[in-house]
Amino acid sequence: EPEVTQTPSHQVTQMGQEVILRCVPISNHLYFYWYRQILGQKVEFLVSFYNNEISEKSEIFDDQFSVERPDGSNFTLKIRSTKLEDSAMYFCASSDLRERAFFGQGTRLTVV
Amino acid sequence: QQQVKQSPQSLIVQKGGISIINCAYENTAFDYFPWYQQFPGKGPALLIAIRPDVSEKKEGRFTISFNKSAKQFSLHIMDSQPGDSATYFCAASKPNTDKLIFGTGTRLQVFP
Repeated sequence: EPEVTQTPSHQVTQMGQEVILRCVPISNHLYFYWYRQILGQKVEFLVSFYNNEISEKSEIFDDQFSVERPDGSNFTLKIRSTKLEDSAMYFCASSDLRERAFFGQGTRLTVV
Repeated sequence: QQQVKQSPQSLIVQKGGISIINCAYENTAFDYFPWYQQFPGKGPALLIAIRPDVSEKKEGRFTISFNKSAKQFSLHIMDSQPGDSATYFCAASKPNTDKLIFGTGTRLQVFP
């Protein structure tokens, strides 16, 4: 079964550093998303991406965040200057239809 | 208005029993209601979903009941098994948006 692949599985970074989280969506999917889940809390929408541009973003997705699809397969989330409160599990998702999202395994980001 | 309220926070069920998880929403614009299952260290996986034009949807042991007038929907897991032990999230989304609004999650434990 096709799946969304995320790397790395765990990233530890110092506060103020830039991180890039990577995702390979399912190959024929056109819609891409990033969500995050702070430990023990609910999953929160960050951003959606379609046709090489952001289609929607949440209030969490401020100027510190950016997304990119640098080639035909990867979808990345960049956090420019990480804060302690950015520590969370970040999930990439993709869909072939709006709403029917398939999630990756997640990247656990720890900011120290 | 954007929230989806989920209960209970945790649920313990004996093997073979029925697990019932409830969600309520306020925004009548929501038109898609999926349930996701999440195992520890994994991403959420789509379990079953419903639209408001039907009151019930069944897939195997999993059933969604939908009450449009009460703005509530619930997940029923029949013949619960230890392998069903996971965290379950309800979610909702509006038309023409990519954003899934998740509930706070229910940790289900099924004991043999």
